[in-house]
Amino acid sequence: KAGVTQTPRYLIKTRGQQVTLSCSPISGHRSVSWYQQTPGQGLQFLFEYFSETQRNKGNFPGRFSGRQFSNSRSEMNVSTLELGDSALYLCASRGEGETQYFGPGTRLLVL
Amino acid sequence: SQQGEEDPQALSIQEGENATMNCSYKTSINNLQWYRQNSGRGLVHLILIRSNEREKHSGRLRVTLDTSKKSSSLLITASRAADTASYFCATDFWAWDNYGQNFVFGPGTRLSVLP
Repeated sequence: KAGVTQTPRYLIKTRGQQVTLSCSPISGHRSVSWYQQTPGQGLQFLFEYFSETQRNKGNFPGRFSGRQFSNSRSEMNVSTLELGDSALYLCASRGEGETQYFGPGTRLLVL
Repeated sequence: SQQGEEDPQALSIQEGENATMNCSYKTSINNLQWYRQNSGRGLVHLILIRSNEREKHSGRLRVTLDTSKKSSSLLITASRAADTASYFCATDFWAWDNYGQNFVFGPGTRLSVLP
């Protein structure tokens, strides 16, 4: 099976802009989670989607949002970007088991 | 507060030596998982140990779990230069105040294996 894919891999934006990141899970996986990774805060959970519904949510402001489509692909949107949003954004998919499988990440730089 | 904490933060060893990393957590868990990350790339799942298990092996990896002490350790035997990476523990636990199942990572241990 193909692994989790994320697009784009790299992105440069300026403050105030918005950005949309995409994640395609492993075929058959219905759960997609998103994480933000920064040197200062480490890996932090953003949210989880399951069958097009947000099932779980981390402690991030409302500027961070997401959605999941009927084919389980997920998008994450960040509006009104701030310098502190510069990070590696990882998505992970999960099937019936407990293991999460991660994509390569999208590295976002906000200038 | 963070669920998982690894120590040491950084570890440097010679090839062929064993590397041990520890993880502590605060609340009851369903399972604990270890991941590896190379140079800011995606995470690779290494091993999962459930709350009712005490030890698991996978190749050169050995994981222990002590739920009474809320701690886990990851042992990599006969380390290789290719094992150089960051290692994270992640706890999977149920939190009623956040709609259910939660998955929290520790800050990680940076392992350097010198040839």
